[in-house]
Amino acid sequence: GENVEQHPSTLSVQEGDSAVIKCTYSDSASNYFPWYKQELGKRPQLIIDIRSNVGEKKDQRIAVTLNKTAKHFSLHITETQPEDSAVYFCAANRDTDKLIFGTGTRLQVFP
Amino acid sequence: DTEVTQTPKHLVMGMTNKKSLKCEQHMGHRAMYWYKQKAKKPPELMFVYSYEKLSINESVPSRFSPECPNSSLLNLHLHALQPEDSALYLCASSQVFTSGNTIYFGEGSWLTVV
Repeated sequence: GENVEQHPSTLSVQEGDSAVIKCTYSDSASNYFPWYKQELGKRPQLIIDIRSNVGEKKDQRIAVTLNKTAKHFSLHITETQPEDSAVYFCAANRDTDKLIFGTGTRLQVFP
Repeated sequence: DTEVTQTPKHLVMGMTNKKSLKCEQHMGHRAMYWYKQKAKKPPELMFVYSYEKLSINESVPSRFSPECPNSSLLNLHLHALQPEDSALYLCASSQVFTSGNTIYFGEGSWLTVV
């Protein structure tokens, strides 16, 4: 079955710096890769996703890149702000199969 | 409206109690999910309902019993739970159960088993 590895487990950055979180998946048939943000005590919320027919997607300060050959995808947050502090989960799945989550990255943005 | 509503928000129950968690969505989604999340861990899939039929049961103990009365509602019946079952229980929904469909999570029900 699919396995998703996520690194780093914790990441501390200064406000205004960039943050990068990386995930590697095992199932080459996976074709959908969402990223969820979970603030303390809150629900996971989708922040960006990418499908296997696209190499990069941007939404304001957030971008995701996908390398299908290497089977890894990354989340890039630029100009980080304190409100970006949260746990970020990557995930992967293929058709009619369950979403497999990475282990999570706790991002702390210091003012 | 992208809301998945869960009740109750907090539940404390004894090991001999019977209780239920409830979930509702009005987005017309035909796939609904129960996830369990322990502290500092990712959500862990328990059950998937697709078109009101149980599609996936991730070998969940029988003390957890899901029910999907209609396309908008999802329940999780709890009986004879153990303290290790204490966790955040997240309901979620998506348009259909296929890859590429955004999964929307509810705020969750915090369950404590004493």
